[in-house]
Amino acid sequence: AQKVTQAQTEISVVEKEDVTLDCVYETRDTTYYLFWYKQPPSGELVFLIRRNSFDEQNEISGRYSWNFQKSTSSFNFTITASQVVDSAVYFCALSEASAGNNRKLIWGLGTSLAVNP
Amino acid sequence: DAGITQSPRHKVTETGTPVTLRCHQTENHRYMYWYRQDPGHGLRLIHYSYGVKDTDKGEVSDGYSVSRSKTEDFLLTLESATSSQTSVYFCAISGTGRYNSPLHFGNGTRLTVT
Repeated sequence: AQKVTQAQTEISVVEKEDVTLDCVYETRDTTYYLFWYKQPPSGELVFLIRRNSFDEQNEISGRYSWNFQKSTSSFNFTITASQVVDSAVYFCALSEASAGNNRKLIWGLGTSLAVNP
Repeated sequence: DAGITQSPRHKVTETGTPVTLRCHQTENHRYMYWYRQDPGHGLRLIHYSYGVKDTDKGEVSDGYSVSRSKTEDFLLTLESATSSQTSVYFCAISGTGRYNSPLHFGNGTRLTVT
């Protein structure tokens, strides 16, 4: 069965620390996409990145980086030199090609990150 | 930012009353979705639309109905609100319904049913 697990419910770090948010997924599909979304305290959900199952290259965007490893079914998200503005709940999600379209997004329960000054 | 407006942003209503939430988009996207977000359950799909007057159920559709008479508007109706429908409701859009298309969300509506 499809599943996304974000084992870290809450993480608290001090500003400028690096932090990694874990995402482990289960799927029988060979073709799928993984997504990360951010939900800051203001409540909106913001799309951060997507990665397809055939592209295992790491992605870096400023202080954010993503590590996709099919061998461990993981799509981890690292924030380098964290800032208070990074405080948010982060969601990982899975979308399988067999589902036809992403109305079948499978969501993790999120990791709440608190970055303290 | 995707042009998605949800209204109202907050609403308190009594059990048994009908409630309609509105989602308005300016992106001319074909696909629109209603989700609810609850602690311990994450995001769950209620209904979605793949075009004007074309809608389908999601995983938690009981007690909800939707309508889409125009591309830009997607309405979610609770026919007779119950306390279990207290939640934060998010509207989302995507340009295509394909599995690789990211969703873009509105700011949410916090609904409290007393």
